Amino acid sequence: DAGVIQSPRHEVTEMGQEVTLRCKPISGHDYLFWYRQTMMRGLELLIYFNNNVPIDDSGMPEDRFSAKMPNASFSTLKIQPSEPRDSAVYFCASSLNRNTGELFFGEGSRLTVL
Amino acid sequence: GDSVTQMEGPVTLSEEAFLTINCTYTATGYPSLFWYVQYPGEGLQLLLKATKADDKGSNKGFEATYRKETTSFHLEKGSVQVSDSAVYFCALANTGGFKTIFGAGTRLFVKA
Repeated sequence: DAGVIQSPRHEVTEMGQEVTLRCKPISGHDYLFWYRQTMMRGLELLIYFNNNVPIDDSGMPEDRFSAKMPNASFSTLKIQPSEPRDSAVYFCASSLNRNTGELFFGEGSRLTVL
Repeated sequence: GDSVTQMEGPVTLSEEAFLTINCTYTATGYPSLFWYVQYPGEGLQLLLKATKADDKGSNKGFEATYRKETTSFHLEKGSVQVSDSAVYFCALANTGGFKTIFGAGTRLFVKA
């Protein structure tokens, strides 16, 4: 079975540009999570969805960040406008079993904002 | 709020040495506890888990026991290999399990 698929794997952009990161969760998983990983702050939960509905977006750093899940097999995380401090690895993860909480991660999208 | 504290790294060991990575947590209720591993350039993957007090999770020679009295979930392995070099994350998931809190991660280097 395919795991969580993220694209692009690497993105280099200039400050002020719009960035869109994409995620395809594992089929049948009801929960989708976006995490950000940096050396300084570790792994931070940005937002998560249940059945395509955003449940908790309290981790989204500011209004420049937005996330959508138009259907069960696709989600996007958008940053507009991007800033150098947004440079990080962004992970998407999905989960099936709400009782045990096991997460399945994608390989991540490494974003560099110059 | 819920939190996870794990020992700072990096931890450097020789092959076949004994490994312990300490992890303690703060949580309300009865969380599930996890260890995830991240190899270079990859996402995190579940290594082992325990869902209630006194449970022992184990996988690939690694094990950890859920200790409610000390709020700990220390990771151990009797004999590490070079291929175990990675970053290890302790994590907890509380009610419903859909909001997982991660520790800062501990980087392990194993020398041949």
